[in-house]
Amino acid sequence: AQSVTQPDIHITVSEGASLELRCNYSYGATPYLFWYVQSPGQGLQLLLKYFSGDTLVQGIKGFEAEFKRSQSSFNLRKPSVHWSDAAEYFCAVGMNYGGSQGNLIFGKGTKLSVKP
Amino acid sequence: DGGITQSPKYLFRKEGQNVTLSCEQNLNHDAMYWYRQDPGQGLRLIYYSQIVNDFQKGDIAEGYSVSREKKESFPLTVTSAQKNPTAFYLCASSIRLDWSGNTIYFGEGSWLTVV
Repeated sequence: AQSVTQPDIHITVSEGASLELRCNYSYGATPYLFWYVQSPGQGLQLLLKYFSGDTLVQGIKGFEAEFKRSQSSFNLRKPSVHWSDAAEYFCAVGMNYGGSQGNLIFGKGTKLSVKP
Repeated sequence: DGGITQSPKYLFRKEGQNVTLSCEQNLNHDAMYWYRQDPGQGLRLIYYSQIVNDFQKGDIAEGYSVSREKKESFPLTVTSAQKNPTAFYLCASSIRLDWSGNTIYFGEGSWLTVV
């Protein structure tokens, strides 16, 4: 079955340090991959997406992600974390669903805390 | 501003009551979705609709119902048959129901608590 795994439930980094959030997926076809960010009690905001082409994808707020087909991974990175980046991050893969397309399978999220 | 509006933000329900969560979008999107979010569980799809007067069950549709009478509106009713309705509910929409350059956008969510 298709699935998305975010191995880290909670990560704490110091402000200014680099960040990498891991995401692995299980999907037989070419994946459509997304990273979303959620502040407490809010909806989800799209950070970046990968559909095809260049495997290094640039997103908003200084984030980037790299698609590695051989590792079935789509890790999110940021070179220097800001206190405002503290939030929960969700990786998702788009898949066919019930004969139609358009469902997103989400990982369980990684909560990011930022130390001053 | 274009976007997805969910209301109410917070809702309390007594056991045995049905409640309806509103979702309106002015993005002119054809596809709309309802997700449920529980702590540590990620998001799970309840229902989706790719066009007016059409909707399909998602992974956890039991105890929920929807309608799609207008393109911009996709209300979700949480019925008394839903065993554990306390959760955060997210409405979303996309231009269409496929992945050719498509992106799903989310509303701000509604908190439902059963008391």
